Amino acid sequence: DTAVSQTPKYLVTQMGNDKSIKCEQNLGHDTMYWYKQDSKKFLKIMFSYNNKELIINETVPNRFSPKSPDKAHLNLHINSLELGDSAVYFCASSLDQGENIQYFGAGTRLSVL
Amino acid sequence: SQKIEQNSEALNIQEGKTATLTCNYTNYSPAYLQWYRQDPGRGPVFLLLIRENEKEKRKERLKVTFDTTLKQSLFHITASQPADSATYLCALEGNTPLVFGKGTRLSVIA
Repeated sequence: DTAVSQTPKYLVTQMGNDKSIKCEQNLGHDTMYWYKQDSKKFLKIMFSYNNKELIINETVPNRFSPKSPDKAHLNLHINSLELGDSAVYFCASSLDQGENIQYFGAGTRLSVL
Repeated sequence: SQKIEQNSEALNIQEGKTATLTCNYTNYSPAYLQWYRQDPGRGPVFLLLIRENEKEKRKERLKVTFDTTLKQSLFHITASQPADSATYLCALEGNTPLVFGKGTRLSVIA
């Protein structure tokens, strides 16, 4: 069983569209994250949720909206997609906020045309 | 602001040699530092964590050091194998849970 799974793996879409990426973890972790890895390979945190509550919201456009229906799921919805949104998006989870060992999903490669 | 530098984008070494990767940081005193491995098309995988009061940590062929005076961590892979070829990322506890470096792409040549 995959510990952190995200779907879809690839997403190709036109500018201006709205899309969602889903993430689920079966590790029983309390904290989940969304990261963006751009073409220069920088891995940067976007959001963090602890027990369904938003605890970190880095400087991302408000076109990006995370939603956590329960602590095992953290979905990412993106409105009005732009060319600059093209990147690989990773979901991750951690057991606690102490040492924050991250367990990552396989990533979703988003291409905005 | 916090800054992390992994000062080699790419490192090529011969199979059997020891690979040494460097992670430097400025403007912060992290309580711990982590190392991850990332293969193409996959998410990073956690390898080791070292705390500020630990000088060295080992796991099989991996060794990590943490020098809080130099603000530097070294990551060593001994008896390297082609299967060790990957990108290695260091990550620091920061203002956000973790701040990642850009990574060093290691190629072990048979």
